Amino acid sequence: QKEVEQNSGPLSVPEGAIASLNCTYSDRGSQSFFWYRQYSGKSPELIMFIYSNGDKEDGRFTAQLNKASQYVSLLIRDSQPSDSATYLCAVRGSGYSTLTFGKGTMLLVSP
Amino acid sequence: DADVTQTPRNRITKTGKRIMLECSQTKGHDRMYWYRQDPGLGLRLIYYSFDVKDINKGEISDGYSVSRQAQAKFSLSLESAIPNQTALYFCATSEEETQYFGPGTRLLVL
Repeated sequence: QKEVEQNSGPLSVPEGAIASLNCTYSDRGSQSFFWYRQYSGKSPELIMFIYSNGDKEDGRFTAQLNKASQYVSLLIRDSQPSDSATYLCAVRGSGYSTLTFGKGTMLLVSP
Repeated sequence: DADVTQTPRNRITKTGKRIMLECSQTKGHDRMYWYRQDPGLGLRLIYYSFDVKDINKGEISDGYSVSRQAQAKFSLSLESAIPNQTALYFCATSEEETQYFGPGTRLLVL
C-alpha cells in the first residue's frame, strides 16, 4: 500500500524564520511530488510540484526531493503569519494516475 | 465565478437516507475526482473519472457511487448514509498533474 507520511505538527516558527516541512513516501518508483496548502475550512491549493532530484525554487518556497531517501521537503523562507495553514504532501506513484496525500502538517507562524 | 463548484455546501441528513453531492466545473478538464477529508486522516480518494465513459474506484469507495453526467458534471451518491460518512467532501479536476479543488461540502449524518 502506498503511504505518504508527514509529521502532524503543529510546527511553530516566528515571523521571518525559515519553516521546514518534511514528507516521506513508501513507493520507491514514485514519479511526481506535490505540496498543497490548506487554510482552515478551505480547499487545498497547489503551491508547487517537483519531479527530479534536487531543489526547485518558486519565490519564497523551495521544494527539495531526494528519491534515494524517499524524502521530499518544502522550505518557506521569510515566513509570514499568512503562511499559517496545513501543508499537504502528495505523491503520484509508479504506474498510478492518482495522488496519495499525506495527513498534513500544521504550520503556525507567530508575529 | 468559481471554476469548480459543489452543491450543497453544507448538509445534515439522517442515517439511512440517500444523498447526492454535485460537482460542476468550467475548466474544461476531462479528469474529475471525489475525496473525503476527516480530521487526522487527510484526503482520501473515493472515486475518479478520466472522461465521461470512465469511472474508477479509489481507496475508499464502499458505500458510495458516482455518476459522470457530462464532462463538466460529476456526482457522488451515498445510497444509505451512515454516521461514519460524516466528513468534508471535495471534488477536484485536473489537467495533467495539477489538481484544482472545489470549495467542499460539509456533510453530517445523524
